[in-house]
Amino acid sequence: QQKVQQSPESLSVPEGGMASLNCTSSDRNFQYFWWYRQHSGEGPKALMSIFSDGDKKEGRFTAHLNKASLHVSLHIRDSQPSDSALYFCAASANTGANTGKLTFGHGTILRVHP
Amino acid sequence: EAAVTQSPRNKVAVTGGKVTLSCNQTNNHNNMYWYRQDTGHGLRLIHYSYGAGSTEKGDIPDGYKASRPSQENFSLILELATPSQTSVYFCASGDARGNTGQLYFGEGSKLTVL
Repeated sequence: QQKVQQSPESLSVPEGGMASLNCTSSDRNFQYFWWYRQHSGEGPKALMSIFSDGDKKEGRFTAHLNKASLHVSLHIRDSQPSDSALYFCAASANTGANTGKLTFGHGTILRVHP
Repeated sequence: EAAVTQSPRNKVAVTGGKVTLSCNQTNNHNNMYWYRQDTGHGLRLIHYSYGAGSTEKGDIPDGYKASRPSQENFSLILELATPSQTSVYFCASGDARGNTGQLYFGEGSKLTVL
């Protein structure tokens, strides 16, 4: 069973629009969540982390975490063509042997069109 | 910025052959990881290491070995390559002191097994 599930699989938004990506975990050991972004031909890069309930804002990006439901979302306002990429949700249990070990979802492909 | 370098970037191997993928990091991170990326599966953890001389099995270790001879270097070894191991492989490093999961990825190694 996939422990980190993302939706939608793909998303197309107009330039300047809002993109919303979702992620749900089935493992209650996961306490730390990350969003990673991967442009074509490159390795994934960490975009932002969220470890506490509520919202975390960094520029145009806002992450939201609900630990009770293990649901994480990422919202990108004023989307730019350069935001077009594959977005991964990743989770870590960060205990003992799992220190720093990330479990990734399948990813959401975001396309921002002019 | 953190630097993780992989080699080779592209490799074509024959079934039954031996393949070694190499990774070097200049971040002085204790932890290193090998993931593979396949369409529909996201990133899956193969092997990881907490420091020189240590290797641990990830979620999909069958058919792979790993070697961590030094802090900087981490290799993934396919003793008998099979077509099912055709994939893009990513190496990553992470700071164990942070313990919260930020990884720094290399640019990937594309392996084709014929």
